Amino acid sequence: RKEVEQDPGPFNVPEGATVAFNCTYSNSASQSFFWYRQDCRKEPKLLMSVYSSGNEDGRFTAQLNRASQYISLLIRDSKLSDSATYLCVVNGRATSGTYKYIFGTGTRLKVLA
Amino acid sequence: DVKVTQSSRYLVKRTGEKVFLECVQDMDHENMFWYRQDPGLGLRLIYFSYDVKMKEKGDIPEGYSVSREKKERFSLILESASTNQTSMYLCASSLLDNRGYNEQFFGPGTRLTVL
Repeated sequence: RKEVEQDPGPFNVPEGATVAFNCTYSNSASQSFFWYRQDCRKEPKLLMSVYSSGNEDGRFTAQLNRASQYISLLIRDSKLSDSATYLCVVNGRATSGTYKYIFGTGTRLKVLA
Repeated sequence: DVKVTQSSRYLVKRTGEKVFLECVQDMDHENMFWYRQDPGLGLRLIYFSYDVKMKEKGDIPEGYSVSREKKERFSLILESASTNQTSMYLCASSLLDNRGYNEQFFGPGTRLTVL
């Protein structure tokens, strides 16, 4: 089983739609969770961190379910500019005692006019 | 503005060549990372470093080595390039913390082709 799993998509949605992605992780000891956005041929950039209580940033809402070990990203009122790949990232303990980050393979979103 | 730069955007090398990929960050970050990104496999950690001269293997270190002589610079070395090392290589940096909460900042990537 992969440490972090995402549906690769693509999710094709019309402008204005609401779309949700889930991501499951295998390590119950993971403490931090993130969604990154990666545009085509660009580097990943942080979209939002995911907090235990859930958090919202404009049209984006992230949720964490520790019991079921998944995180979710909800995008409301989709814009054409939201078309990108969304990467789920979970932290994991490294041998040295520091932390490393484990990336899912990403979910591709296409917002259609 | 945090800036992570990588020495080349595109690189073409021949099998067996020694390849150096350089990464520089200007934010005084303790952590630096090297990933490779391949279709269907996502980003996979090759090596990372949490301090000068300190390094730790990631998930796929075979065929690679790293060097961190200065805090701002982290080099990835392919000792003898092979065709299966053709990939997009991404460098990242972040502040050090003891709970892994910090954002990673990525460089633009180096697309390496090994012929």
